[in-house]
Amino acid sequence: EPEVTQTPSHQVTQMGQEVILRCVPISNHLYFYWYRQILGQKVEFLVSFYNNEISEKSEIFDDQFSVERPDGSNFTLKIRSTKLEDSAMYFCAAGGETQYFGPGTRLLVL
Amino acid sequence: SQQGEEDPQALSIQEGENATMNCSYKTSINNLQWYRQNSGRGLVHLILIRSNEREKHSGRLRVTLDTSKKSSSLLITASRAADTASYFCATGGMTGADKLIFGTGTRLQVFP
Repeated sequence: EPEVTQTPSHQVTQMGQEVILRCVPISNHLYFYWYRQILGQKVEFLVSFYNNEISEKSEIFDDQFSVERPDGSNFTLKIRSTKLEDSAMYFCAAGGETQYFGPGTRLLVL
Repeated sequence: SQQGEEDPQALSIQEGENATMNCSYKTSINNLQWYRQNSGRGLVHLILIRSNEREKHSGRLRVTLDTSKKSSSLLITASRAADTASYFCATGGMTGADKLIFGTGTRLQVFP
């Protein structure tokens, strides 16, 4: 199965701090996604990205969130000022009809 | 009920038995997919069934889709301890690269 990689695997931050989560998607896929999973809950869609712009975003993806594909390979999710409720596992995915997920970044906001 | 609800929430069986998980959804879909998640890990794609398909097989997995009832089932035959994981259904919208909407998941425990 193709691989999507994510860094870091774990991140602990203080409330109000900025975090950047990184993903290296499969290079021959055109659609990229971020999802999150709060502990014990279902996986929730955050945002999809195509052709260097956001194609769809959820209500969760407010002004505190942004995505970029700065260099054609990395795909980043930035949370500008973290809140306690941002603590979750964040998954990057690539693909289209079938989406391939990375191993996730576990974010803990204290 | 929410888009992508699964039952049962938890299932415990012995190795060698079959496990059946069900998923219901609410809106029109292009496809339905099943993913596995080992505890605290990433999501692994298992199988995709399109809205014009009724049944699909992959190894020990059998998926059915009934669009009239907006439901799907995942059958794992001859289960193994290594199948212990959470299983999620996810529905894809009407275009090929739409976001996935995940169900609540079934936690499967297979005892050796």
